[in-house]
Amino acid sequence: QQQVKQSPQSLIVQKGGISIINCAYENTAFDYFPWYQQFPGKGPALLIAIRPDVSEKKEGRFTISFNKSAKQFSLHIMDSQPGDSATYFCAARSSNTGKLIFGQGTTLQVKP
Amino acid sequence: EAGVTQSPTHLIKTRGQQATLRCSPISGHTSVYWYQQALGLGLQFLLWYDEGEERNRGNFPPRFSGRQFPNYSSELNVNALELEDSALYLCASSPRLAGGSPDTQYFGPGTRLTVL
Repeated sequence: QQQVKQSPQSLIVQKGGISIINCAYENTAFDYFPWYQQFPGKGPALLIAIRPDVSEKKEGRFTISFNKSAKQFSLHIMDSQPGDSATYFCAARSSNTGKLIFGQGTTLQVKP
Repeated sequence: EAGVTQSPTHLIKTRGQQATLRCSPISGHTSVYWYQQALGLGLQFLLWYDEGEERNRGNFPPRFSGRQFPNYSSELNVNALELEDSALYLCASSPRLAGGSPDTQYFGPGTRLTVL
């Protein structure tokens, strides 16, 4: 019940295309859903986050779509660029535990 | 504003030794979290400290321990090191929301621990 399932494991997109990464969860106590971007040898950097009272949040080229009834959320990267090539992690947290439960990660490669 | 800092960057130990990893949170953040990122296992929650107290602990053996100091910095200690402890250890910090619950976590660059 604590798991967050992320797909796909890897993704190759052409420059200018849309990258879509999906996550699913089971624990209805989760109240915060962030996405992190990680480059090799670096720590994860927060990209964008959403709370379950909102169905969509957009920041620049990054959009989170959230479906509370289906217990799914996704990250859309519009106009994907080679600099977006990185590993992306979704996560979920219930505020009383503090801990982030991470998905398995998606390695994104954007081809020029 | 300075981000989360961690030291050392790399640490090499032999099996059975002890390792101490350090973390300084973002100024104003009272919570510190530790995560382990081992190859093939993803990011796993280790510990959460807030206001000097351990608030939550992940599914790790007791030889993983830590503490938070009055200035909110933290250290993670790993005793009796095993080969499978080799991983990137990440520290994150967060402020508290007005209602008292923890807010967004910001990660440091990590300490790469290698156990030989």
